[in-house]
Amino acid sequence: DAGVIQSPRHEVTEMGQEVTLRCKPISGHDYLFWYRQTMMRGLELLIYFNNNVPIDDSGMPEDRFSAKMPNASFSTLKIQPSEPRDSAVYFCASSLFAGKTDTQYFGPGTRLTVL
Amino acid sequence: KNQVEQSPQSLIILEGKNCTLQCNYTVSPFSNLRWYKQDTGRGPVSLTIMTFSENTKSNGRYTATLDADTKQSSLHITASQLSDSASYICVVSARGGFKTIFGAGTRLFVKA
Repeated sequence: DAGVIQSPRHEVTEMGQEVTLRCKPISGHDYLFWYRQTMMRGLELLIYFNNNVPIDDSGMPEDRFSAKMPNASFSTLKIQPSEPRDSAVYFCASSLFAGKTDTQYFGPGTRLTVL
Repeated sequence: KNQVEQSPQSLIILEGKNCTLQCNYTVSPFSNLRWYKQDTGRGPVSLTIMTFSENTKSNGRYTATLDADTKQSSLHITASQLSDSASYICVVSARGGFKTIFGAGTRLFVKA
């Protein structure tokens, strides 16, 4: 398997523009997670899905952020409108189960810069 | 308040030496503790996962320990290699869902 795939790897945009980040989880994994990483705040869990259904979005910072998972092989994280403080690396991860000892596999991340 | 604190913030060691990274947490009720390795520009990679009943787990040259009573964990790296240079992140999850608290990480530099 190719692992978790994210696109684009780098995104530079101007404040106010819409940004869409994409993720393809590992085939067969039932759980998908979106994380954000910054120097100031470290890694933060934004939202996670189980079988395409959002389970907990309490980490989503504002209404400007939205995430969807239309099918088992694709998810998007959208920011509209984007702001400079959204600049971060956004990771997608997937896992087979939600058990205590289940491993999450991370994608390579999307580095977002909002000017 | 649920917190995860890691020490040291950064560490420089010579190749071949051993080192130990620390993680203290106040997350409750405790479910599991994970150590991740994150190379620069890459996503985190899971090293170990421990539940309440486990007090040690190894993955090659990496050995994690957990003391649930004192709420402390350590990651010991044996015979360090240049490729061990990375950030090591401690992550603690609470029972009842995916409430996870991330530590700020320890930045390890292994020099030749």
